[in-house]
Amino acid sequence: DQQVKQNSPSLSVQEGRISILNCDYTNSMFDYFLWYKKYPAEGPTFLISISSIKDKNEDGRFTVFLNKSAKHLSLHIVPSQPGDSAVYFCAASDAGGTSYGKLTFGQGTILTVHP
Amino acid sequence: EAGVAQSPRYKIIEKRQSVAFWCNPISGHATLYWYQQILGQGPKLLIQFQNNGVVDDSQLPKDRFSAERLKGVDSTLKIQPAKLEDSAVYLCASSLVGGRMETQYFGPGTRLLVL
Repeated sequence: DQQVKQNSPSLSVQEGRISILNCDYTNSMFDYFLWYKKYPAEGPTFLISISSIKDKNEDGRFTVFLNKSAKHLSLHIVPSQPGDSAVYFCAASDAGGTSYGKLTFGQGTILTVHP
Repeated sequence: EAGVAQSPRYKIIEKRQSVAFWCNPISGHATLYWYQQILGQGPKLLIQFQNNGVVDDSQLPKDRFSAERLKGVDSTLKIQPAKLEDSAVYLCASSLVGGRMETQYFGPGTRLLVL
């Protein structure tokens, strides 16, 4: 049962353009969402997060949007840079979960930014 | 500040053999997580420790996997006996106190190949 889904395995964009990565979830108990970035041979690193009380959170070039009614979130990167090329994971935390801090991850989207 | 350390970085074994992975979290972090990331999937939580106690091991295949965190610092994850489907990257992460909205810091992972 895939509770967090990233339906696009890969995305290719031109440097300077916008990258939009999408994520859908099914568990209505999820109330905190995160994006992690992963370079090859490294562990994931935290990028940005959003609580369910908000619908937008911005940090520099990165903005995350949350649509609770659609159970959908997206990460916008503007402008995209070649150094942004990595695997991006969407993750969610369950308000009613028994494991405090447990994250449920999506499958990841490979972003390639071409110079 | 040193990050999360893991060793070995790579391991190749034959099925039915045993293997152990080691993790040293960020100094002062009370919470330690082990995740399994199978190729093409997102990380899946195997076990979470709070100091040296287990908070969640609901997704740990306890017939073959075991983990310990003696003295609430380093941790070891063991697989005995290994199966082909255990081929994956094993990621260790830590966080300060294990709060739901706390950043988890990941190590580089151990890539396991079971032949």
